[in-house]
Amino acid sequence: GDSVTQMEGPVTLSEEAFLTINCTYTATGYPSLFWYVQYPGEGLQLLLKATKADDKGSNKGFEATYRKETTSFHLEKGSVQVSDSAVYFCALMKNRDDKIIFGKGTRLHILP
Amino acid sequence: DAGVIQSPRHEVTEMGQEVTLRCKPISGHNSLFWYRQTMMRGLELLIYFNNNVPIDDSGMPEDRFSAKMPNASFSTLKIQPSEPRDSAVYFCASSFPLGEAVSGGTDTQYFGPGTRLTVL
Repeated sequence: GDSVTQMEGPVTLSEEAFLTINCTYTATGYPSLFWYVQYPGEGLQLLLKATKADDKGSNKGFEATYRKETTSFHLEKGSVQVSDSAVYFCALMKNRDDKIIFGKGTRLHILP
Repeated sequence: DAGVIQSPRHEVTEMGQEVTLRCKPISGHNSLFWYRQTMMRGLELLIYFNNNVPIDDSGMPEDRFSAKMPNASFSTLKIQPSEPRDSAVYFCASSFPLGEAVSGGTDTQYFGPGTRLTVL
């Protein structure tokens, strides 16, 4: 079945470090891909998305490129801040009226 | 808009008691989702509705769980009887109808703040 695999956390970095959180997916067809972020004590919120191959989603300094050839959607940020500490979820959706399939989440800690 | 509203935010109950969680989706959204989040199992989709009709309830763990959406602005998730292993954070999310031109896109789900349930 369709699935999302993301790197296990926690990931601990110092402020201003470069961030990569790996995400790969298994799905037939051409799913839409998402990164959601969950800050402490809150629900998930959309961070960025890409709907077709080679699209790049970006928001708040984060980027991810839809790579169909490697079935990947890795999240990157050039310089992280303490406020980026959160849990990040990679996800896919195959059809608009279908459910979103989430990865298990990666907890990110940024040290000042 | 106030966003997705969930109540209560925290619930502590004893094993065997009935628990009802409530959700008010964003006005104009026609899809509603119930999720459960635990440390061990991560984020799990329990059930989702489209235009108030349950589409997929395969994630509902057992018959003790039931969900209803009597109208477009309200949904409930009920656990009866509750058990300690039901302790988790329960999230409700909603999304726009297909075909609407909105920022974020019709495929974006908007999550509520969650209800933290503790069953003793």
